[in-house]
Amino acid sequence: EAQVTQNPRYLITVTGKKLTVTCSQNMNHEYMSWYRQDPGLGLRQIYYSMNVEVTDKGDVPEGYKVSRKEKRNFPLILESPSPNQTSLYFCASSPPGLAGGSRGYEQYFGPGTRLTVT
Amino acid sequence: AQSVTQLDSQVPVFEEAPVELRCNYSSSVSVYLFWYVQYPNQGLQLLLKYLSGSTLVKGINGFEAEFNKSQTSFHLRKPSVHISDTAEYFCAVLPYLTGRRALTFGSGTRLQVQP
Repeated sequence: EAQVTQNPRYLITVTGKKLTVTCSQNMNHEYMSWYRQDPGLGLRQIYYSMNVEVTDKGDVPEGYKVSRKEKRNFPLILESPSPNQTSLYFCASSPPGLAGGSRGYEQYFGPGTRLTVT
Repeated sequence: AQSVTQLDSQVPVFEEAPVELRCNYSSSVSVYLFWYVQYPNQGLQLLLKYLSGSTLVKGINGFEAEFNKSQTSFHLRKPSVHISDTAEYFCAVLPYLTGRRALTFGSGTRLQVQP
């Protein structure tokens, strides 16, 4: 089954304790992205990756890091989490914009990771 | 820059009634338009999209949306809703020809279908 998976699904942690949220896709997509969802704000992009070893900042990158060493994986790293990073996080992937035809601009979302930082 | 406004944060409706969820957007460049649905405790699922061509697009689960360029709107409709349509719905836009492919989302509309 084609899918985007995230782990863990739920995480409660304390301020300053480094954590990593993993994201993996099995669709051979080159493009991957991280969003956070907060009430009343919709989803906002944190980081994105056009391909392996190519990453760049989205709209709200402060306090986050990413890496893209393999095409299928795109982990989100919080080096020193703070309470304002309490949120619902989504990973997404997408086929190439033009080569993917009309599906090239669809983004496939993972199930989400609910993070609470106390 | 783009912005998306979903005019209703909550829409209560009775089962088998029609529903319209409103979405307006603002952008200095041309955009693609999407509607996503989020069921409780799940990720986002694409309902439908407008890339080009006919301004009336049909999606999954009986939903459709109409793109109105002059009014910069992309309202979502369903002629008869079911209890199972209870979910949060997000309108989103994506600028043409962008490598970043960052979707700009509205704040969401919670559809509550009552028996």
